[in-house]
Amino acid sequence: AQSVTQLGSHVSVSEGALVLLRCNYSSSVPPYLFWYVQYPNQGLQLLLKYTSAATLVKGINGFEAEFKKSETSFHLTKPSAHMSDAAEYFCAVSDNTGGFKTIFGAGTRLFVKA
Amino acid sequence: SAVISQKPSRDICQRGTSLTIQCQVDSQVTMMFWYRQQPGQSLTLIATANQGSEATYESGFVIDKFPISRPNLTFSTLTVSNMSPEDSSIYLCSASGQGESEQYFGPGTRLTVT
Repeated sequence: AQSVTQLGSHVSVSEGALVLLRCNYSSSVPPYLFWYVQYPNQGLQLLLKYTSAATLVKGINGFEAEFKKSETSFHLTKPSAHMSDAAEYFCAVSDNTGGFKTIFGAGTRLFVKA
Repeated sequence: SAVISQKPSRDICQRGTSLTIQCQVDSQVTMMFWYRQQPGQSLTLIATANQGSEATYESGFVIDKFPISRPNLTFSTLTVSNMSPEDSSIYLCSASGQGESEQYFGPGTRLTVT
C-alpha cells in the first residue's frame, strides 16, 4: 500500500529565505511523486512531478524537488521565498496500477513573513 | 493540461436534502475523480467516475450516499444525498488524460449543511 508523510503541518519562513517542505513516501512499486499547491478557495495546481526520469525535478514558480530512493524522500525546495508562495502544499504518490489512484499527504501550510 | 469547472461553487443546504455537483472538463479525459476535503485537512478520494459504467467507490463511501454519473468523456456529477452537517466539506473534481499520471483539479464546491 502506498502512503505519504509530510513532516510539519506548518512551516514559516522569511521572505527571501530558503523554503524546504519535507515529504517521505512508501510504495511497493516504483512511484510517481507529485507536489501540488492550493491557494485559498481554489483547487489544487500541479507544481511538479517525478516519473522515474531525472531525480531532480524542476517545477513552476522556481520550485524543485529531489527524489531520493535510499531515503524514500521527495522534499520540495525553493531558494528564495516570495510572499506569493504562501499556500498549502500537498505531496502525493501514485503508481500505474489501478488507474493512477493518488494518495495525498496531510499538507503543509507555508507562511511567508515580510 | 485540462481546465475544469465546477458548479455550484458553494451552497448552503438543509439536512435531509440532496445536492448535485457538476464537473465539466474542456477536453476529453480518461479518468475523473471526486474528492472530499474537510476544513484544514487533506484530500480523501470518494470514487473514480468511469465513463459508461458504475463508479468505483473507496472504502467508507457508498453509492446510495454519493451517486455519481459520467455520461461522456468531459462531464461528471456527484450527488450528496440525505445530507447531514457531517457532509459539510469541499468537494473537488479532478481529471487525467490517457496515460497521464498527474491530475488536474477543479476549483471545488464548498458545501455547508445546516
